[in-house]
Formats: sequence, C-alpha cells, structure tokens
Amino acid sequence: AQKVTQAQTEISVVEKEDVTLDCVYETRDTTYYLFWYKQPPSGELVFLIRRNSFDEQNEISGRYSWNFQKSTSSFNFTITASQVVDSAVYFCALSVNSGYALNFGKGTSLLVTP
Amino acid sequence: GAGVSQSPSNKVTEKGKDVELRCDPISGHTALYWYRQSLGQGLEFLIYFQGNSAPDKSGLPSDRFSAERTGGSVSTLTIQRTQQEDSAVYLCASSSLTGGRVTEAFFGQGTRLTVV
Repeated sequence: AQKVTQAQTEISVVEKEDVTLDCVYETRDTTYYLFWYKQPPSGELVFLIRRNSFDEQNEISGRYSWNFQKSTSSFNFTITASQVVDSAVYFCALSVNSGYALNFGKGTSLLVTP
Repeated sequence: GAGVSQSPSNKVTEKGKDVELRCDPISGHTALYWYRQSLGQGLEFLIYFQGNSAPDKSGLPSDRFSAERTGGSVSTLTIQRTQQEDSAVYLCASSSLTGGRVTEAFFGQGTRLTVV
C-alpha cells in the first residue's frame, strides 16, 4: 500500500522567512512518482512539480526548491523568502506504476503574514 | 478545452435525491481521476480510469457511488440517494502517459455538492 504523510498541519511564517514543508512517503514499488500541488484559497489545485523515483536530483525553480531523499523516503519542499501569495494548502502526492492513482497527503496549510 | 472542465460548479440537493457530476478532461488525456475533498480536509481518492482498462473503483465509499467514462473522454460521477455526509467538493483530474510514465494530473475547479 502507498501512503503519504505530511506531519505539519499548519505553518505560520512572516513574509521573507524561509519555510520547509515536509513530506514522507511509503511504498514497496521501486518505480514511483512524487508530486507537490498548491491549493490557494480559490480552491483550484495547481501542479508544482513531479519527481521520478529514479531521479534523485534536487530541483530549484525560482524561490521553490525540492529535496528528494530516497534514503529517508522524503520529498521536502522549501520556499525561500516567502510571500503573502504563497499562503495556501500544499499537498504532497505519490503515484506508483502499478496503480497510477495519486495518493495525497492530508496537506499543510501555510499562512504567510506581512 | 484547455483545461479540465467540471459541471455544475455548485449543486444543492435534497437528501435522498440522486445527483450527476460531469467532468470533461483535457483532450488526449487517457487517465481520469475523481477525488472528494470535505471541508478543510485532504483529497480522498474515489475512482480512476485509464484508457480502455477496467477502472480502479477501490476508493468509492459505498455502492451509492458509481462513475462512467464514455468514449474514453467525458466522465460522469453519480451519487444515488444522497446523504448529508456526501457534502463535499468533488474534484476531477486528468493526465497522460508518456513513454509508459505517469505525468502530472491537472485538476478541474471542482463541483461543490451540498446535501440538505
């Protein structure tokens, strides 16, 4: 069975602080895919990144960066110099080749205050 | 269309009535998913369609829930004899397979179902 754990339910930071959202996953499949989605107050889920299990390279996109570590089964997401517009619920998700359905964590609600 | 389209955007129904929720996936996407999100909660997987394969119905909460996908495109989620606990936002997503690898899923705006 697949499982995604986002232990942080809510995080509150002040603008310009860096913040890391944790994601720990469980799967017995050797081929799997990890995702992060953002859900702003408007409600629409916005795709941020996909990472394949065979590619452990970290990725940086502007103020966003992702740290994928198979040794700890983690796929953490860092926002550098956070902004108010980053306030949203962030979901980590896992998909495996044998099932395809996206298994979501419960999400982390991030509040960035001015 | 350019994105995943869901209709209606809002639906209020009386307890015990049947409802149908529609999803138009992105053209060419072979995979289609339905999820449910209750207020302030995470996403609960309901059902998954991939091409002509048998759908994965493992997430459907009861036999009151069913879904179809006609012609490999449009999907309809049907809830029979609605209950108040069915109130939630129902999200549809679609994705493609590239070289046998899963690609990211794109979500619609959702249908907010309220059972009164």
